Amino acid sequence: QSALTQPASVSGSPGQSITISCTGSSSDVGSYNFVSWYQQHPGKAPKLIIFETFKRPPDITRHFSGSKTGNTASLTISGLQADDEAEYFCCSYAGSTTFVLFGGGTKLTVL
Amino acid sequence: QVTLRESGPALVKPTETLTLTCSFSGFSLSTSGMCVSWIRQSPGKALEWLAFIDWVDDKQYATSLQTRLTIAKDTDKSQVVLTMTNMDPVDTGTYYCARAVYSSGPYNWFDPWGQGIPVTVSS
Repeated sequence: QSALTQPASVSGSPGQSITISCTGSSSDVGSYNFVSWYQQHPGKAPKLIIFETFKRPPDITRHFSGSKTGNTASLTISGLQADDEAEYFCCSYAGSTTFVLFGGGTKLTVL
Repeated sequence: QVTLRESGPALVKPTETLTLTCSFSGFSLSTSGMCVSWIRQSPGKALEWLAFIDWVDDKQYATSLQTRLTIAKDTDKSQVVLTMTNMDPVDTGTYYCARAVYSSGPYNWFDPWGQGIPVTVSS
């Protein structure tokens, strides 16, 4: 199976909202509500910000939200802040053989 | 507080075997629902899941790499070891270990991650 498809880059101004898409197939994103999102700042390890498509870990604010329609999952960041500038990766469960697939990553620039 | 830390060589030669150790604290791999995975990131930034081992010693490997990978745990030492044989320059990247937890479905999210260990494959 191929990696999930994300836009290479998105940008927005402070205070704006942006959405990052993650497109898979009926074998992964479309079949399970097991999509997770990770934020990665330069030189740092990825950090979980959304799991099981919609859920936030306890230390993550409503600033970040997840959704899904069909084979495409989305991460929305509302009220952009300078610290949101980072790389964002999606990940989806893809069945017992493949296990998980990652997206190629999206670079978010806060203008 | 859950923490994980990777250790191993920074440089290996082509055809050699890479052995990485993940040392963790704040949880036990003898606890129901716990799992440790290895994930790598290429210099071009792409993430690739490699393997997992869980609390009942179930193991799974990425299909494309399963002939080269072995994962094992030492519950008493709170360590997970990954070996990858026949290393090639395309295996250059940063290798992470991360915890996964069986919640409302199969292991499908990773939190937290270790800091990562950069590995270069070169003669």
